Amino acid sequence: TQLLEQSPQFLSIQEGENLTVYCNSSSVFSSLQWYRQEPGEGPVLLVTVVTGGEVKKLKRLTFQFGDARKDSSLHITAAQPGDTGLYLCAGQRGGGADGLTFGKGTHLIIQP
Amino acid sequence: GAVVSQHPSWVICKSGTSVKIECRSLDFQATTMFWYRQFPKQSLMLMATSNEGSKATYEQGVEKDKFLINHASLTLSTLTVTSAHPEDSSFYICSASRGGWNTWDTDTQYFGPGTRLTVL
Repeated sequence: TQLLEQSPQFLSIQEGENLTVYCNSSSVFSSLQWYRQEPGEGPVLLVTVVTGGEVKKLKRLTFQFGDARKDSSLHITAAQPGDTGLYLCAGQRGGGADGLTFGKGTHLIIQP
Repeated sequence: GAVVSQHPSWVICKSGTSVKIECRSLDFQATTMFWYRQFPKQSLMLMATSNEGSKATYEQGVEKDKFLINHASLTLSTLTVTSAHPEDSSFYICSASRGGWNTWDTDTQYFGPGTRLTVL
């Protein structure tokens, strides 16, 4: 079983601060995806990283895929209350026909 | 584009009854659909993978006779929870992708809004 360790599980910070969420595994993934999930809803895709060392930016969010494609990070700059939510990383084991292995998620609270 | 719907959005049933959950890709053809389960305060766990016209592949520990999956068309997959019990109460989420067994390209999975099942 390929596991994804996501940390921290809970994070509460003040508005304007920066934060980083980590997603680590001992296994290689063909791709890694980051999702955001609101209570009672399905996860919404934020980004997919495929190439080792790849960095993608989405406004104040920066996603990085490790060189060995075993780990990834999500960095949020100048966090805002609207960033509050559950962030999930998920790895794809093989190709497009494979299901996703999800990390346990990071519950993020941004206090105004 | 790439919208996935689920029906119903929530359901309450008595123990011992069966419940069917539908997952539809509204604006694309989904060769592959996936079913996940999410317990409170936990992450999503893959239950099974289904391809149109073939039998579903179940993850280890998931009872195929209890969770019946039918992927009858390229836009519809159904999950039937048979003889439901309170421990089956969970949030069931499907996803759909355009990719099939023959592709090794990364393919985005589009998630439905989920179905909250409560078994009394």
